[in-house]
Amino acid sequence: EAQVTQNPRYLITVTGKKLTVTCSQNMNHEYMSWYRQDPGLGLRQIYYSMNVEVTDKGDVPEGYKVSRKEKRNFPLILESPSPNQTSLYFCASTSSQVLQGGYEQYFGPGTRLTVT
Amino acid sequence: QQQVKQSPQSLIVQKGGISIINCAYENTAFDYFPWYQQFPGKGPALLIAIRPDVSEKKEGRFTISFNKSAKQFSLHIMDSQPGDSATYFCAARRSRDDKIIFGKGTRLHILP
Repeated sequence: EAQVTQNPRYLITVTGKKLTVTCSQNMNHEYMSWYRQDPGLGLRQIYYSMNVEVTDKGDVPEGYKVSRKEKRNFPLILESPSPNQTSLYFCASTSSQVLQGGYEQYFGPGTRLTVT
Repeated sequence: QQQVKQSPQSLIVQKGGISIINCAYENTAFDYFPWYQQFPGKGPALLIAIRPDVSEKKEGRFTISFNKSAKQFSLHIMDSQPGDSATYFCAARRSRDDKIIFGKGTRLHILP
C-alpha cells in the first residue's frame, strides 16, 4: 500500500526547544516536500527535494531545515521553534515519471504542532 | 510573490447540481495545474491535474477546464453528491523540481 508516514502526529512544545518531524515514503518517489497549512492561508510549501542531497527553499523556509540523506526519508527540523510556527504540517512525495498525462502524489496524515 | 488566486472561498450546491471552482495564475513557468481534495482531519489528495497544452481533462464526474490565454482554470464537479463536501485546492506545479503554489482553498458543501 502506497503510504507517506509522519511522526509525531501531534506535538506541543515550548519556544526554543529543537524538534524534528519525520517523514517517510514507501513508493521510491524522487520528489518530497513539506507544507504548512494555516487557516485562511491554504497550503504553503516550506522546502522541496528533487532527490537525495538535493533540496530547495519553498515559499516559507524561514525557521526550518531539512535533509535528504536517504530517498525514502525527509525530516523537517525546527532548530528553535517559535509560536508563529504553530501550524498543521504535511509531508508529500511525488513521482517524477509521467503516468497517462499525470503524475502520482501522496500526502501524509499531518502533524499538528503547537509552540507555546 | 507568485500567486494562484482561487474563488469562491465557500460554495453551497444542491445534490445533483454542478459545482464550479475557479483559479487564476500569474507565472507561466508552471507545467501542471492540479486540483486537490481535503476532508477534515486528513491530508490533501491529488484529484486531477492538467497540462497547459490541453484545454479540458475529465475523470469521472470531475472535469478541469483550462484557458491558457486567460491564465485561468476551473474544476467542475458534475452531479455533486454529499460525499463531495470537502475543501478543494487548486495549484500550479513545476514538474522539473516539484515546486508548487496553492490557492487558498474553497470549502464546498453539498446539500442532501
